[in-house]
Amino acid sequence: QQQVKQSPQSLIVQKGGISIINCAYENTAFDYFPWYQQFPGKGPALLIAIRPDVSEKKEGRFTISFNKSAKQFSLHIMDSQPGDSATYFCAAMVSNSGYALNFGKGTSLLVTP
Amino acid sequence: GAGVSQTPSNKVTEKGKYVELRCDPISGHTALYWYRQSLGQGPEFLIYFQGTGAADDSGLPNDRFFAVRPEGSVSTLKIQRTERGDSAVYLCASSILGGTGGANTGELFFGEGSRLTVL
Repeated sequence: QQQVKQSPQSLIVQKGGISIINCAYENTAFDYFPWYQQFPGKGPALLIAIRPDVSEKKEGRFTISFNKSAKQFSLHIMDSQPGDSATYFCAAMVSNSGYALNFGKGTSLLVTP
Repeated sequence: GAGVSQTPSNKVTEKGKYVELRCDPISGHTALYWYRQSLGQGPEFLIYFQGTGAADDSGLPNDRFFAVRPEGSVSTLKIQRTERGDSAVYLCASSILGGTGGANTGELFFGEGSRLTVL
């Protein structure tokens, strides 16, 4: 079953706008929440990640907001650029567990000029 | 620098044939993962190796799928009696440390995948 649920499936944002992608999980043992970015024909690449001891992490234009009680986390892309157009995957795992990363189904982001 | 290398990049085969997909991880990475990505979907976990042993193979869909990593480096995913439903991009990823026994940052470095088409 899908352990990480991601929405929306697709998103269109104008250049300069804010892109927001949401994820929810059920397994309270998850303690590592990365976001991966994937361009067509390429493998996913780590964008930014957060652990549940903080509620927010920012790296440049990318911010993860984490709500432990709601078991939700989101990716915010500020000042979205056409080069940000890609598919974004949230993921979750139990670190040091011997288990692998569980991915959401992805969000296809298109940033229009 | 050398990343994760996967071969072939594309493979077209007929239903019922046998297929091997190869992954060469980043040097020094002890953990190796195989994922399968269908069109419009997220990567789906198949199997995870820590060194030479399969630490978790719970994602393999059935006994037609098998993977090996005999020397703890290169891995081969083997699919017997291929079916049309096996068509997907097979992604390999590696990480410095994985699972138990060490600090697992969770950062997986992915290859570009092997696109398998079963006719």
